[in-house]
Amino acid sequence: DAGVTQSPTHLIKTRGQHVTLRCSPISGHKSVSWYQQVLGQGPQFIFQYYEKEERGRGNFPDRFSARQFPNYSSELNVNALLLGDSALYLCASSPRAGNEAFFGQGTRLTVV
Amino acid sequence: RKEVEQDPGPFNVPEGATVAFNCTYSNSASQSFFWYRQDCRKEPKLLMSVYSSGNEDGRFTAQLNRASQYISLLIRDSKLSDSATYLCVVTRRGGGADGLTFGKGTHLIIQP
Repeated sequence: DAGVTQSPTHLIKTRGQHVTLRCSPISGHKSVSWYQQVLGQGPQFIFQYYEKEERGRGNFPDRFSARQFPNYSSELNVNALLLGDSALYLCASSPRAGNEAFFGQGTRLTVV
Repeated sequence: RKEVEQDPGPFNVPEGATVAFNCTYSNSASQSFFWYRQDCRKEPKLLMSVYSSGNEDGRFTAQLNRASQYISLLIRDSKLSDSATYLCVVTRRGGGADGLTFGKGTHLIIQP
């Protein structure tokens, strides 16, 4: 069985650009969450989607947005990139919102 | 006060020893608790859920003390492969709208 898959695995962008990260959850999982992890810190919650609706949002600026598609895959969009957005972006899927989560390998974003 | 606090370590432990980590959480509404393991530059992987009655999985034992708001992880007969960062995670049930809240992690190094 395929686990959570994320693309791309690595990405380099310039300040001010826009980026779209993609995630496919485990088959049968309807909840997808996004996390940002900077070096030396634990992951920080960005968004949770369940059944294609936003169910939760962390303390991130409006430059961050996301959506979930009918097949439960998800995109995370970040506009007007800043150097501080450089991080590992993790997608997690769960059977339902609030359950234990299973993470993809992450997208490592570098903003230069 | 941080929502989830862990001693970052590193804990340097000889192979075969027993090691214990604690984690404290500040939100008394937290209802679900987990330990995740994260290897260098990899995604977090669920190690075990933590139940009020405590639970054991092979060499790993997790305990929850709701009155004192702390969670513990005990690793017996440690192996070199146990070297990793251990992340304490809490969440509120009922939609999980706040997502998972991670501690910064405790870095464990098992020495031969």
